[in-house]
Amino acid sequence: QKEVEQDPGPLSVPEGAIVSLNCTYSNSAFQYFMWYRQYSRKGPELLMYTYSSGNKEDGRFTAQVDKSSKYISLFIRDSQPSDSATYLCAMSGTGANSKLTFGKGITLSVRP
Amino acid sequence: DVKVTQSSRYLVKRTGEKVFLECVQDMDHENMFWYRQDPGLGLRLIYFSYDVKMKEKGDIPEGYSVSREKKERFSLILESASTNQTSMYLCASSLARAGANVLTFGAGSRLTVL
Repeated sequence: QKEVEQDPGPLSVPEGAIVSLNCTYSNSAFQYFMWYRQYSRKGPELLMYTYSSGNKEDGRFTAQVDKSSKYISLFIRDSQPSDSATYLCAMSGTGANSKLTFGKGITLSVRP
Repeated sequence: DVKVTQSSRYLVKRTGEKVFLECVQDMDHENMFWYRQDPGLGLRLIYFSYDVKMKEKGDIPEGYSVSREKKERFSLILESASTNQTSMYLCASSLARAGANVLTFGAGSRLTVL
């Protein structure tokens, strides 16, 4: 079983839709959970991160972590064409310089 | 604005050539990383460095080497390029600390080996 699994997609939604992106993981030592967004021909950039379980909201984006199920989600409300990108989940433990483990990424397309 | 700069965005090389990919960061980060990104395979860690003159192998170091002579610069070297090294190469850096290891990525270097 891979440490981090992410739906491969691609995903296409109409503008205004609510998008749910998900990852599952197997390593119970993971405590930091991140979402990176990568536009075409660019490097990934950090969207948001959470520590341990719970929700975190930033504008139209909500990150959710369920450690009991080893499942994390990123919700995008009122999706916009500018949200079209590849989204990668990433996670790590708490030790100094703890290595990040990435999901393979899912490409989202928001149709006008 | 913090930055990780990869000097070459697009390169085309021939099989057997030596290839240098340069990465410079201006954030005084201790940690630097080289990944490659391929469709269906995601990001794979090649090498990383937690300090000057220090390097550690990642998950796929074969066919690559690195150099970190200065804190801000981390170079990836392909001693003898092969077609299976055609890929997008991403450099990243982060602060050395406990807690979230937040990576800042460069824009990437797309290498084609013919």
